Amino acid sequence: GAVVSQHPSRVICKSGTSVKIECRSLDFQATTMFWYRQFPKQSLMLMATSNEGSKATYEQGVEKDKFLINHASLTLSTLTVTSAHPEDSSFYICSARTSGKYTQYFGPGTRLTVL
Amino acid sequence: TQLLEQSPQFLSIQEGENLTVYCNSSSVFSSLQWYRQEPGEGPVLLVTVVTGGEVKKLKRLTFQFGDARKDSSLHITAAQPGDTGLYLCAGNFGNEKLTFGTGTRLTIIP
Repeated sequence: GAVVSQHPSRVICKSGTSVKIECRSLDFQATTMFWYRQFPKQSLMLMATSNEGSKATYEQGVEKDKFLINHASLTLSTLTVTSAHPEDSSFYICSARTSGKYTQYFGPGTRLTVL
Repeated sequence: TQLLEQSPQFLSIQEGENLTVYCNSSSVFSSLQWYRQEPGEGPVLLVTVVTGGEVKKLKRLTFQFGDARKDSSLHITAAQPGDTGLYLCAGNFGNEKLTFGTGTRLTIIP
């Protein structure tokens, strides 16, 4: 149980285009989903927290207009990187938790490369 | 701002040896999780600890939560090459967000 999937697993795009990443909880209802970014050889940095049906809460320094997050259902959250630039290239990971539980379950990550 | 320091940052040992990784915070955890991450993959949950002084075992891995809930350790007995990976502690500090530690990159040499 507690499986989280992400799609796509890797994406290469041209500078200036937008990329959407999906995060799904496959066997549980995720009241809260989180989006992280990880640079090579570094730990995970939280970008934003999203609760189903509410606007996402972004961490300091994360541009909400650049990283659009939608959490329209209890099993799906999306992250859209708008007008991507090479500096947005990174490993993006989502996680999900259910109400009242501390534990977060992570997706397999999406490798974004912007040319 | 809560900080989570992990030590050591890098560890390379021979197969069959024992090792301990530490996770320390300046604040009290509501709960703490340990994850292992392989290159190009997401973190995989190993354990969640909530109660001060708690000890949990997962095969050759033993996790301990400090009495004051400000530190934790992960001990691996008879390490195997399959234990190689990035070990991350992550804590909740009274809210739903996880703060990740700096990570310990473990390499087990066959």
